[in-house]
This record gives sequence, structure tokens and C-alpha cells, in this order.
Amino acid sequence: EAQVTQNPRYLITVTGKKLTVTCSQNMNHEYMSWYRQDPGLGLRQIYYSMNVEVTDKGDVPEGYKVSRKEKRNFPLILESPSPNQTSLYFCASSLLAETPYGYTFGSGTRLTVV
Amino acid sequence: DQQVKQNSPSLSVQEGRISILNCDYTNSMFDYFLWYKKYPAEGPTFLISISSIKDKNEDGRFTVFLNKSAKHLSLHIVPSQPGDSAVYFCAASEAAGNKLTFGGGTRVLVKP
Repeated sequence: EAQVTQNPRYLITVTGKKLTVTCSQNMNHEYMSWYRQDPGLGLRQIYYSMNVEVTDKGDVPEGYKVSRKEKRNFPLILESPSPNQTSLYFCASSLLAETPYGYTFGSGTRLTVV
Repeated sequence: DQQVKQNSPSLSVQEGRISILNCDYTNSMFDYFLWYKKYPAEGPTFLISISSIKDKNEDGRFTVFLNKSAKHLSLHIVPSQPGDSAVYFCAASEAAGNKLTFGGGTRVLVKP
């Protein structure tokens, strides 16, 4: 089954403790992206990658890092999480220039930073 | 400043009636628009899209209308069903396959 898999689904952590949220897709998609969803703000892009070793900032990259060493994986790294990073996170992937289906999203990771 | 706005955070409609969801955008470079549907504890899933060369696209019960001069699009669901109860996100892109910019979402409740 074609899918985007995120882990973990739920995570509670303390301020300053480094964490990684993993994302993997099995569709051989070039484009991968991380979004966060906050009430009233919709989904905002954190980082994206157009292929292996090619990453770039989205709209809200502060406090986050990513890497793309393999085509299928695109982990999101919070080096020193803070409470304002408490949010619902989604990983997404697509073929470049694919129409009209847009992104395939993972099921989400709900992160709470206390 | 949000480039894509959904001004109605929620909508309640009776089963069998029409649901109309609205979306406004400010970036005139957007030329591709999508609607996503999201159930609780799941990721958004693609629903329907439209490119700027069209003003209407229909897929079963779902129709999207685009008014480029007004920078406005809408999603019509006819007839609405209880399974349509979800959050709907409008999204826009300057080019297909590239970055999607999302609106804040509209929560739809279809009452039996």
C-alpha cells in the first residue's frame, strides 16, 4: 500500500530534550515536506526537500532541522524543543510537478513540549 | 499574513442539503488550487483540484468553482452526507507539485 509513515504518533517531552520524528514514504516521491497544524492557522510548511541532499526552509523553519540522506526518509529534528513547538505535525510527499493529486500525507504526530 | 484564508471556521448543515465552503487568496501567482479533507487522527486526503485555466471542476458530489478576478474559490458538496463531517482545507500552489499554502480550515458537521 502506498503510504507515508510517521513515528511516533504521540510524543510528550520536556523543554530542551532533543527529539526526532521520522517520516518514510514508499512511493519513490522526490518531493517531501513537513507541516505543522495549529488552530486557526491551518497547515504551515516547516521544511521541504526536492530530492536527496536538497532541502530548503518553508514558512516556519525556526527551531527545526531536517535531513534527506535517502529518497524515502525525511526526519524532522528538534534540537532543543520549546513549548511553542507543541503542535500537530504532518509529513507529506509527492512526485515533482504531479497533478492533480497534490500531496500524500502521513497520519500525523501530536507533540507536546512541557 | 495568510495568503489563503477560510473565513468560516465551522459550518453545520442538514443531511441532503448543500454545503458551501469558501476560500479567498491574495497571491495572484497562485495557479493551482486543491481541497483536502481531514478526519480526526488522520492526515489530510486529497479531495478535488482546479487549475487557473478553468472556472469549474466536478467530481461526483463535489464541485469546485474558481473566480480568479475575485481571488475566490468555493467547494460545493451536494447532497451532504454524515460521512462528509470533517475539516476541509483549501490549498494553493504557484505550480503543480511545488509548495502548497493552506488555509485555516473549515469544520463541517452534517446532521442526520
